[in-house]
Amino acid sequence: SQTIHQWPATLVQPVGSPLSLECTVEGTSNPNLYWYRQAAGRGLQLLFYSVGIGQISSEVPQNLSASRPQDRQFILSSKKLLLSDSGFYLCAWSVPRGLNTEAFFGQGTRLTVV
Amino acid sequence: QQPVQSPQAVILREGEDAVINCSSSKALYSVHWYRQKHGEAPVFLMILLKGGEQKGHDKISASFNEKKQQSSLYLTASQLSYSGTYFCGTEIPPGTYKYIFGTGTRLKVLA
Repeated sequence: SQTIHQWPATLVQPVGSPLSLECTVEGTSNPNLYWYRQAAGRGLQLLFYSVGIGQISSEVPQNLSASRPQDRQFILSSKKLLLSDSGFYLCAWSVPRGLNTEAFFGQGTRLTVV
Repeated sequence: QQPVQSPQAVILREGEDAVINCSSSKALYSVHWYRQKHGEAPVFLMILLKGGEQKGHDKISASFNEKKQQSSLYLTASQLSYSGTYFCGTEIPPGTYKYIFGTGTRLKVLA
């Protein structure tokens, strides 16, 4: 069966520090991969998505970036965090099979920038 | 471009029914529904693929009207465990793998 791993679960970082969140998927190949951010009490904002190695589509660039160095690995990064980067970050995957692209989520990373 | 959900929030007593709507300004070819408990990741509930399709399990069902570009989630005889935030999700534009979520509906079921 397919599983998705996302770490760390919680993170407290000072303003201006770098960020690296990692997500890996097991049990499937060539998944679509996604990064979402959820501010407290708000909805799910799509940040980046990828349909293949090295292919990244950016929705909200700002000071975040994403990379997909391997088929089942998706990394979210920032060189310098802002207070507004605080939130719940969720990695998700889906199988590309036409329109049946429901998303399955990792456990999420709660990031607090102080 | 983000689908709009209504209502934004609803409070129910156990056993009461609720309807959550998801409307899009863009054409929908499939709609998915999720529930998110506080502090947790969203969990997939069901998928609707064809216009007019209705699906359901237990006391939760959903319908999809392609022409109106909307979907509705029906929760009947609500239970405490139904509390959470409900999101519709869809691929817009279809075939792009750009997967986005609706604005969300917070549901609280009281004993």
